[in-house]
Amino acid sequence: QVQLVQSGAEVKNPGSSVKVSCQAYGGTSRNFGVAWVRQAPGQGLEWMGRILPILDMANYAQNFQGRLTITADKATGTAYMELSGLRSEDTALYYCARESRLYGYIDYWGQGTLVTVSS
Amino acid sequence: DIQMTQSPSSLSASVGDRVTITCRASQHISNFLAWFQQKPGKAPKSLIYEASSLHSGVPSKFSGSGSGRNFTLTISSLQPEDFAIYYCQQYNSYPRTFGPGTKVDIK
Repeated sequence: QVQLVQSGAEVKNPGSSVKVSCQAYGGTSRNFGVAWVRQAPGQGLEWMGRILPILDMANYAQNFQGRLTITADKATGTAYMELSGLRSEDTALYYCARESRLYGYIDYWGQGTLVTVSS
Repeated sequence: DIQMTQSPSSLSASVGDRVTITCRASQHISNFLAWFQQKPGKAPKSLIYEASSLHSGVPSKFSGSGSGRNFTLTISSLQPEDFAIYYCQQYNSYPRTFGPGTKVDIK
């Protein structure tokens, strides 16, 4: 059974950075990428970016260029999402999701990590 | 970027109703279209990929169709556990993009 387990909630000051982890249990990590999707309160889903750990290759949405870094530790099967220059609009639930390397679709989701940006 | 639209934005239906949600892409995306279900306070759940293939464990009352730019998600007989928000997503190109969602609630 595949499970993606994310790190706990964070409260951050404006201008700071946050780093959220996502550890995968089960499945073969070489065949999958990890996508990050966020959801502001009461809003829809927003794709942020994704990493293919086996190639250490990441793609980012233009909205986050320069502020978002997605990395992966192949040894532990853990992916990380770091967002810098936080502002109040970044307050959201951040989800990781497993993405098929070959076909690109998402199959499993993490439980979500609430990031609150407030002074 | 490929824009995704969904209609309706919300609908009210009764248990046992057949429900259809439409998703349209601003460009041709072949069949690289997924559907997700999200219940309040929960992470999204993957329902369908490649426009019409059900993920493992998803009941057959859910079905998807379409290709190119126009897609539909159908729930054949709505049950209480199906009241949720449904999102489509294209994965034909980067950045991946989601539709704005369709809220299905109880009439």
